[in-house]
Amino acid sequence: EADIYQTPRYLVIGTGKKITLECSQTMGHDKMYWYQQDPGMELHLIHYSYGVNSTEKGDLSSESTVSRIRTEHFPLTLESARPSHTSQYLCASSYDGGTEAFFGQGTRLTVV
Amino acid sequence: AQSVTQLGSHVSVSEGALVLLRCNYSSSVPPYLFWYVQYPNQGLQLLLKYTSAATLVKGINGFEAEFKKSETSFHLTKPSAHMSDAAEYFCAAELINTGRRALTFGSGTRLQVQP
Repeated sequence: EADIYQTPRYLVIGTGKKITLECSQTMGHDKMYWYQQDPGMELHLIHYSYGVNSTEKGDLSSESTVSRIRTEHFPLTLESARPSHTSQYLCASSYDGGTEAFFGQGTRLTVV
Repeated sequence: AQSVTQLGSHVSVSEGALVLLRCNYSSSVPPYLFWYVQYPNQGLQLLLKYTSAATLVKGINGFEAEFKKSETSFHLTKPSAHMSDAAEYFCAAELINTGRRALTFGSGTRLQVQP
């Protein structure tokens, strides 16, 4: 069973609000990722990290930001939520190359 | 740039029939390859992975996949479909020998199993 947790599972919030999606893992993985997934669609990498104080942007441009102050924690922040941010956000973590990435349950964000 | 292509966004089979989900990758160096399954409102769960060992890889729930370098393919199969196999399936690749080590996903294939 994967030990990676995302909170909240569901979030409905008004336009212009600041939000932080939490992701934590207890497996000691150095690599962590955020993917964005619209319903029934593919996953797009928006952020990743190779370790503490390392963050990189992914393939899909995103207005969100991330931080990696602790190995186990990789929160994603939107300073001002907009309806276009409505989507599912999946966090994942892994050891180095060729190893399985473990996924959290996801956060389904709706901005109204 | 690497890409992962899944042919067929929807596949429907009868219970007990063969399941075949197609995946092709495009990179000059064979990447690590993975198949994940996603049930509604859930995260992704690994079915199996190829990391340059055996070309025929067996995974959970009776699934297996064969890596074919000549065809740049990594198709997923299961001899006999169960109703519980209905889900979204994603093929993913991780490039080797690059600075970036993150999974690139295909667009997914929704498997329906008819009784």
